[in-house]
Amino acid sequence: EAGVTQSPTHLIKTRGQQATLRCSPISGHTSVYWYQQALGLGLQFLLWYDEGEERNRGNFPPRFSGRQFPNYSSELNVNALELEDSALYLCASSLYTGFYTDTQYFGPGTRLTVL
Amino acid sequence: KNEVEQSPQNLTAQEGEFITINCSYSVGISALHWLQQHPGGGIVSLFMLSSGKKKHGRLIATINIQEKHSSLHITASHPRDSAVYICAVREVTGNQFYFGTGTSLTVIP
Repeated sequence: EAGVTQSPTHLIKTRGQQATLRCSPISGHTSVYWYQQALGLGLQFLLWYDEGEERNRGNFPPRFSGRQFPNYSSELNVNALELEDSALYLCASSLYTGFYTDTQYFGPGTRLTVL
Repeated sequence: KNEVEQSPQNLTAQEGEFITINCSYSVGISALHWLQQHPGGGIVSLFMLSSGKKKHGRLIATINIQEKHSSLHITASHPRDSAVYICAVREVTGNQFYFGTGTSLTVIP
C-alpha cells in the first residue's frame, strides 16, 4: 500500500512569490494535516482538512491556506512568501474515526526555501 | 508558553543502554503521540496513547493522565535508534495539536 506522498520534494522561491505544495494521502484516509518545521524549531500545526472541509488551523496568518479535493488529496498554498517561511512542510493523513483515535502517517515532506 | 515540554533535549547513550525520554503537557488531551524523526526529515508515528501503556518491540510508552506526563522507553538501545523523538498532544477539543521540541538521541556503538 502506498504511503503519503508529497510533491515537490524541494521548492525554491523568492520573497513575495506564491508556493503550492501537494499531498496525496494513504488510500482510504479522509483527513489530511499540514505541519511546518522551521530550522531549529519544532513542528507546528498548520491546517487540518477532513472530508473536504477545513476543520481547524494553527496560529498562522491567512496567507497560509489550502484545500482538500474530492479524492482527499490536498494543496497548501503560501502567498506573499517571506524569508521565515523557509521550512520543511510535512503532510500527514489519517482515518478520522472520531474524537480520540487517529494515528497519523507522515509524508516525506517538501523543503521550501525562500530567497 | 510551551504546552508540551520534553526532556532531555539531547541524549547520548552507549549501545545496549536503557533510555527514557520524558514529556509533560499542560492542556487537556484526547491523545498523545510519540513520533520518530530521522535525519532528512521522515517522520514515523511510534505510538498513540490515551491511557496506560503500550509496547512495540523494544519500545515502551506510558502515560499518566492525572499527572499529565508520558515517558518513552527504549530497551537495549541500538545505533539505528538514533533519531529525534517528538512528543505531540491532541487537545481535548480535538482541533489543536501541540508538539514538543524533540529529544535528539545518539546511540554510540
